[in-house]
Amino acid sequence: ELKVEQNPLFLSMQEGKNYTIYCNYSTTSDRLYWYRQDPGKSLESLFVLLSNGAVKQEGRLMASLDTKARLSTLHITAAVHDLSATYFCAVAPYSGGGADGLTFGKGTHLIIQP
Amino acid sequence: KAGVTQTPRYLIKTRGQQVTLSCSPISGHRSVSWYQQTPGQGLQFLFEYFSETQRNKGNFPGRFSGRQFSNSRSEMNVSTLELGDSALYLCASSRTPQPDEQFFGPGTRLTVL
Repeated sequence: ELKVEQNPLFLSMQEGKNYTIYCNYSTTSDRLYWYRQDPGKSLESLFVLLSNGAVKQEGRLMASLDTKARLSTLHITAAVHDLSATYFCAVAPYSGGGADGLTFGKGTHLIIQP
Repeated sequence: KAGVTQTPRYLIKTRGQQVTLSCSPISGHRSVSWYQQTPGQGLQFLFEYFSETQRNKGNFPGRFSGRQFSNSRSEMNVSTLELGDSALYLCASSRTPQPDEQFFGPGTRLTVL
């Protein structure tokens, strides 16, 4: 059974600081997704990481994937208040192993204070 | 391009009733997946439909069912509602079956009293 662990689950940080959210998963996978969710809203796709060593950046967010370590990171650079949200990583089962749907981490609730 | 739409957005039901939720995928997307989101269990996969066939199902009781129509629209049904079914139900669509990238709708907030 695929397990996805995110940490931290809660993060309060100041504007201008840098921080990293970690996403570990338990079995082989070749696709990992990062989503953002604002309170009361749906999930917004941020990044799709498809291969070992993949790195993607959008604004102040950068995501990377290490399939050998079964680890993805979401790095926030010089945080701003607008980035306050809950961030989820989700792992797809290995594409050659059948499809059981995405398995999500519990989410990281990020609050960025002025 | 219109996104995924879900109706209704909010529902209040009582225990024992049944409910049907609807999802219209992005135009051209043929795969629809459903997820349940609760504070305690987080986001959990319910099932996926592609070309009117259920491809896989998560670990939910048989009270949860779904179907997909020829125009790719999907419905999910929950019978004999329980208090624990209160949740945000999210629908996601993709061009091809998982693990293709999925795009999520706004969700239906179901409250069971």
